[in-house]
Amino acid sequence: IVLTQSPGTLSVSPGERATLSCRASQMVGSGYLAWHQQRPGQAPRLLIYDTSKRATGIPDRFSGSGSGTDFTLTISSLEPEDVAFYYCQQYINSPGTFGQGTKLEIK
Amino acid sequence: EVQLVESGGNLTQPGGSLRLSCEASGFSFTSYAMSWVRQAPGKGLEWVAIISYSGIPTYYADSVKGRFTISRDNSKNTLYLQMSGLRDEDTAIYYCARGTWFLEYWGQGALITVSS
Repeated sequence: IVLTQSPGTLSVSPGERATLSCRASQMVGSGYLAWHQQRPGQAPRLLIYDTSKRATGIPDRFSGSGSGTDFTLTISSLEPEDVAFYYCQQYINSPGTFGQGTKLEIK
Repeated sequence: EVQLVESGGNLTQPGGSLRLSCEASGFSFTSYAMSWVRQAPGKGLEWVAIISYSGIPTYYADSVKGRFTISRDNSKNTLYLQMSGLRDEDTAIYYCARGTWFLEYWGQGALITVSS
């Protein structure tokens, strides 16, 4: 399954909403889709799994939604520390595949 | 607190061999399958290898099959990646991660540079 993320780069003002998209080439059954955040110079960390469940310690400004082939990560009110690359990942089969990433910048 | 600490990153020549280690703590290592994922400079994430909680079965990406071997020592809470026949395109940060479905925890990564 190929995952295509859009946009490639997103610029958002602090306090504004950021919406990131992930489209799959085939149905991602059971909502087996995750989102990972990678801040500059850091390792990735899990934000969202099973489409909409927040991982341990993730602030509630992060939310995931979607089904089938279209999925969305929403950051309700952007904070400066949210500057990062965001990768979606499907795991309907193991191993899964990653999207190419969206770079989120502060406007 | 879950911790995954990689070691063994280094510079090596094409055709060389290296072994990465990942020491796990803060959870029951023997209960979890583990993965290696790599990231080439300025690129995205690529799943490299997977190992079940017991050590069998294993999975490899086509790009490393026959050259890399994933293993684990549950008595030492340690995951390994033995790499041989290294190529320029294997240059990357290698992360160990807990899980084989969604990757719940990641290590800080180990840099492998393959260059003559």
